[in-house]
Amino acid sequence: NAGVTQTPKFQVLKTGQSMTLQCAQDMNHEYMSWYRQDPGMGLRLIHYSVGAGITDQGEVPNGYNVSRSTTEDFPLRLLSAAPSQTSVYFCASSTDSRRNQPQHFGDGTRLSIL
Amino acid sequence: AQSVAQPEDQVNVAEGNPLTVKCTYSVSGNPYLFWYVQYPNRGLQFLLKYITGDNLVKGSYGFEAEFNKSQTSFHLKKPSALVSDSALYFCAVRVPGGATNKLIFGTGTLLAVQP
Repeated sequence: NAGVTQTPKFQVLKTGQSMTLQCAQDMNHEYMSWYRQDPGMGLRLIHYSVGAGITDQGEVPNGYNVSRSTTEDFPLRLLSAAPSQTSVYFCASSTDSRRNQPQHFGDGTRLSIL
Repeated sequence: AQSVAQPEDQVNVAEGNPLTVKCTYSVSGNPYLFWYVQYPNRGLQFLLKYITGDNLVKGSYGFEAEFNKSQTSFHLKKPSALVSDSALYFCAVRVPGGATNKLIFGTGTLLAVQP
């Protein structure tokens, strides 16, 4: 099994550019989420989804959009990149969101905004 | 507000010695607690969780954690450290109530095991 796959692994953008970070899972998981990891701040939840067609905001949603048209895919969009969005982004998925099952993480996308 | 604290940015231990990585939490209601490990340039990997029951939880790679409700702690332990245990460790708590699996993470503790 591939698990959770994130693409690209690395990306450099200029301020104001837009891009989409891709996330796909092949485990038929209902729950998917996006986190950003910054030094000294741990992981912070950006957006999450409890199933296809359902998304909601996490702790730090500003500047990011998501959609969930299929169970497998959960892309994260930056509409107008800002230097403050320089970070490492992780996508995670898990089974039934109510049963405290562990989350499976992708290997991350390292994003630099110049 | 719900929160998780990892008071040590780094823990240094010699190979073969016992290790402890500390975690304390602040949540309303009964907490659901998790430990994850992150190796360089990789995503987080699940180690163990406490939901209910026995306060001592055993997990992957010989790690265990003890839930202490009175001290609101969930410290990660291992009797004998290996060099390969060197990594970044995160404690996390699920926000109780609701139907979602939202986690609040601590800031992480870097474990360095010297040979």
